[in-house]
Amino acid sequence: DTGVSQDPRHKITKRGQNVTFRCDPISEHNRLYWYRQTLGQGPEFLTYFQNEAQLEKSRLLSDRFSAERPKGSFSTLEIQRTEQGDSAMYLCASSPGQGNGYTFGSGTRLTVV
Amino acid sequence: GDSVTQMEGPVTLSEEAFLTINCTYTATGYPSLFWYVQYPGEGLQLLLKATKADDKGSNKGFEATYRKETTSFHLEKGSVQVSDSAVYFCALSSLNSGYSTLTFGKGTMLLVSP
Repeated sequence: DTGVSQDPRHKITKRGQNVTFRCDPISEHNRLYWYRQTLGQGPEFLTYFQNEAQLEKSRLLSDRFSAERPKGSFSTLEIQRTEQGDSAMYLCASSPGQGNGYTFGSGTRLTVV
Repeated sequence: GDSVTQMEGPVTLSEEAFLTINCTYTATGYPSLFWYVQYPGEGLQLLLKATKADDKGSNKGFEATYRKETTSFHLEKGSVQVSDSAVYFCALSSLNSGYSTLTFGKGTMLLVSP
């Protein structure tokens, strides 16, 4: 197992376009998390899944954001009608259960121009 | 709500110097505490953790002790190397989130020169 994989590594998009990111967690991990990190800040929680169920969503996750984890394996995070304020690093992490440290992916850096 | 406060960086040290990065927290109940490290261009890696008061987490020469009386979890290393240059994040999970999600500090950049 090669850890948590995220694709793409970088994405540049024009304001108003839709973007979708993918995360492949460690295969035996049932929990998957999405975080957002802006320059000079720590990661901020967006949402998480246990298997295919989305258990919690942050207030940061506006209606333009949607995340899925079909079949409890990989996950996608879609941002519709992107805005410049969406520019950030989007981090995915997985864990084998509650209370354990996460394994993070390398992130997808989104730039909205 | 939960919060984590870290000392601002960058922290600039010469190789073999002693390192301390301060971290204090506010949380519900008895949080679990973590230090993560982020090397340039890479994702965050768990460095160490402690889950109850007076526990000491340690890894790769780094240590941090869970101090409930001072709500602190300061990161220390006796002799830093150039390869330790990175951004260090203090984080916690608490009853507030069912110990499921992490609240991070803003990070402290460490720069070690030869």
